[in-house]
This record gives sequence, structure tokens and C-alpha cells, in this order.
Amino acid sequence: AQKVTQAQTEISVVEKEDVTLDCVYETRDTTYYLFWYKQPPSGELVFLIRRNSFDEQNEISGRYSWNFQKSTSSFNFTITASQVVDSAVYFCALSEGDNYGQNFVFGPGTRLSVLP
Amino acid sequence: DTAVSQTPKYLVTQMGNDKSIKCEQNLGHDTMYWYKQDSKKFLKIMFSYNNKELIINETVPNRFSPKSPDKAHLNLHINSLELGDSAVYFCASSQVSGGTQETQYFGPGTRLLVL
Repeated sequence: AQKVTQAQTEISVVEKEDVTLDCVYETRDTTYYLFWYKQPPSGELVFLIRRNSFDEQNEISGRYSWNFQKSTSSFNFTITASQVVDSAVYFCALSEGDNYGQNFVFGPGTRLSVLP
Repeated sequence: DTAVSQTPKYLVTQMGNDKSIKCEQNLGHDTMYWYKQDSKKFLKIMFSYNNKELIINETVPNRFSPKSPDKAHLNLHINSLELGDSAVYFCASSQVSGGTQETQYFGPGTRLLVL
């Protein structure tokens, strides 16, 4: 069965520090999709990135970057020069490549607090 | 302009009551979902609907019933509410193309409190 582990329950950093949120996944499928979502204190779930299993290129979007490594089954998320507005719970999610979201699984989340 | 909307945003009710939460998406997606997020922030999928058909039904009590009048709407009806039903319920939608799981976009959530 598929599984997503986010070992860091809570992280606190001081503004402008870099921080990496870890995500390790398990799946038997060769085709799968990985996601990161952000849940700020206001409660909504905000999509950040989607990556399929055939695309191991790392991605950078502004201060955000993602490191996908199939060899270690990891899809880590780094925030550079963190800001107070980055404070949120971040979820990593995995979907296997079959139909209709049947196997869409979220990790337990990592609560990031960025202190001024 | 809102992609996925839910009503109500907050719902406070007594044990034993029946309540519904509505969800609408204007993204033209063909699949909609309901998730439950508990007090520890764990997100668990409850249902998904594709073209008016229930695709998955996780092990949720049969007091919960999804109803989809059309592919833009997926409502969640809950009978005989219990204290343990208190949670945040999220609606989501995605486009499922040829078996590929596209990104799920979430509504703002409905905070249900059962007293």
C-alpha cells in the first residue's frame, strides 16, 4: 500500500533562514504523482506543485524549490530566505497512476513556524 | 471567480441532527471529492465522484452520503450527527484524463462542530 511520511512534525526557524521539509513516500507503482500543499492558519489548502514519477528534474519557483529523488523515494521541499507568511502546515501527497484519485494519500503534515 | 466553493463555512449543531454541506466547482473538472481533516490535521479521503458515479467509498459510516446532482456539484449529507463527526470537511475537484491523476483543487473547508 502506498504511504507518505513527513518525519518532521514541527519546525521553527527565524525569518530569512532556509528550511527544508522532508517527504518520503512508498509505492509499488512505476507511475505516480507527488504533490505539495500548503495550509496557512486561515485553513484553506493551497496547491504548490505536482510532479510525475518520470520527471526527476528539480524545480524552482521563486523562494521555493523541490528536490525529487527516486533513488531515495524522497520529494523534499526547500524554502529559501523564509518569511513569516510561510508559516503554515505543509502536506506532501502521493497519487498512484490509476484512476479517479482512488489512491490519493496525504502525509501527516509538517507545521512550519517562521519567527520574526 | 472562486474555483471550488463550499457552504456553509461554519456549522454548529446538536448531536442527532441531520445536516448537509454543499460544494460547487466551476473548473469544468469531471471528478469531485470529500475529505475529512481531524483535529490533528490528518486528511483522509471519504468519497469521490466521477461523472455522477461513486468511484470510491472509504470506510466511513453510512450516515454519510454524497449526493451529486451534476458534475459541478457534490454535496455531503450527514445523518444522526455524532460528537466524533466534528472536523473540517474539504471538498476538492480534479480532471481525470485517461487514468492520470491531475491536481486536486480544494474548497475553503467547512468547520463542523457537533455539540
